[in-house]
Amino acid sequence: EPEVTQTPSHQVTQMGQEVILRCVPISNHLYFYWYRQILGQKVEFLVSFYNNEISEKSEIFDDQFSVERPDGSNFTLKIRSTKLEDSAMYFCASSAILLSDGYTFGSGTRLTVV
Amino acid sequence: AQSVTQPDIHITVSEGASLELRCNYSYGATPYLFWYVQSPGQGLQLLLKYFSGDTLVQGIKGFEAEFKRSQSSFNLRKPSVHWSDAAEYFCAVGFNAGKSTFGDGTTLTVKP
Repeated sequence: EPEVTQTPSHQVTQMGQEVILRCVPISNHLYFYWYRQILGQKVEFLVSFYNNEISEKSEIFDDQFSVERPDGSNFTLKIRSTKLEDSAMYFCASSAILLSDGYTFGSGTRLTVV
Repeated sequence: AQSVTQPDIHITVSEGASLELRCNYSYGATPYLFWYVQSPGQGLQLLLKYFSGDTLVQGIKGFEAEFKRSQSSFNLRKPSVHWSDAAEYFCAVGFNAGKSTFGDGTTLTVKP
C-alpha cells in the first residue's frame, strides 16, 4: 500500500537553528499538508499546499515557517529559527482528491528543540 | 465558532466488549467527517470517512460510525474490542478547502 514517508524520524536541534523536515507524499496525490502535535495535545493544522502554492495556513504558520516542493517528489517544511515551543511531532499528509479520500499521514518527525 | 468535541478523554473497556467513542461537531453545514487512529509513537491512520449518503459507514479493522445530523454527532463503534485496538482515536471534520480540524482525542485502554 502506498505510504507517505517522513525523514528524519527524530530531530534534535538547538534553539535558534534552522530545521528542514522532509516528506515524500504518495506519488499521484495532489494535495499536501503539514500538521503538528505537541505532546499530549491535539493535532493542529499548519498549512495546505496545492499546485505549487500554499492554499491555506493557520495562525501557527507564521513567518518562521515555510514550505516547498523542490522537485516532483519531496515536500518540505522549514522552520527558520526554532523556539522551544516548536518541539512537537510534525506530520505530513497527502490526499489525491480534495478531502474525498481523507488523508494519508506519514509516521511523523519528532522535533526536539533544546 | 466551529469546533469538534470528543467528550471522553479516556475510555477503558474489557477485551471482547463493545465500544462507542463519541464525537460532536459544531459547523454551519455538514462537513466531511473522519475517524483516525494513532498507536503510540505512530502516525495517524484513517479508519473511516463520511461525506454523504448512507449515514452508517463501515471502516477498517471492524469499526463503523453513524452520522446523526440532528445530534451533530459522528460516533465510532466496534462490537467486540481486541487488545490491539488500544490506541488514541481522533475525530476530525473538514471542508473542501482541505484543512481538517481534529478533536482532542480519546485514549482507549483495553483490559484483558
